Amino acid sequence: AQSVAQPEDQVNVAEGNPLTVKCTYSVSGNPYLFWYVQYPNRGLQFLLKYITGDNLVKGSYGFEAEFNKSQTSFHLKKPSALVSDSAWYFCAVGSRSQGNLIFGKGTKLSVKP
Amino acid sequence: GAGVSQTPSNKVTEKGKYVELRCDPISGHTALYWYRQSLGQGPEFLIYFQGTGAADDSGLPNDRFFAVRPEGSVSTLKIQRTERGDSAVYLCASSQQQLGGGELFFGEGSRLTVL
Repeated sequence: AQSVAQPEDQVNVAEGNPLTVKCTYSVSGNPYLFWYVQYPNRGLQFLLKYITGDNLVKGSYGFEAEFNKSQTSFHLKKPSALVSDSAWYFCAVGSRSQGNLIFGKGTKLSVKP
Repeated sequence: GAGVSQTPSNKVTEKGKYVELRCDPISGHTALYWYRQSLGQGPEFLIYFQGTGAADDSGLPNDRFFAVRPEGSVSTLKIQRTERGDSAVYLCASSQQQLGGGELFFGEGSRLTVL
């Protein structure tokens, strides 16, 4: 069975500092990994995904994530946080054998000026 | 429109009533997903369709929940004998790709409140 863990309920960062939002996963076979962002009272928006290839994936709004197979992790990063990055972030895992995506419980990112 | 459309955006009903939630996916997307999200939680998978058929309905919580997609486009999530615990935001998403790996495009959701 697929599963995703986001160990931090909330991450607090000062504007201009780097940020990391953690995600680990469990899946049979090769994983498909995604990050989504949700702003208040809005639907989920796709940020980036890893399917195959380069372990470092670049996405929207300056975000990137690194796939680490040995640690079964897919942490989301950004070199310099903006106040407008404040939102909920959700990691999700899928696989070729299963068409559905399983989401983590989410991490609330708060970026202070 | 170009995105996933969900109606109604808000639905308030009484315990025991029947509810239908509609999802109109992006044109040409073969895969359609239903999730539900409670406050402060991640989306919980309910069911997904490939074309007209339900490819995986393992997330439906019980037999009060049912979903259809008769023509492979619009889908309706049906909830019978609603309970207060069914209150949540029901999210629909669609995707071009058939075997995972494709980006899911989400609608704004239907907020269901059962009194």
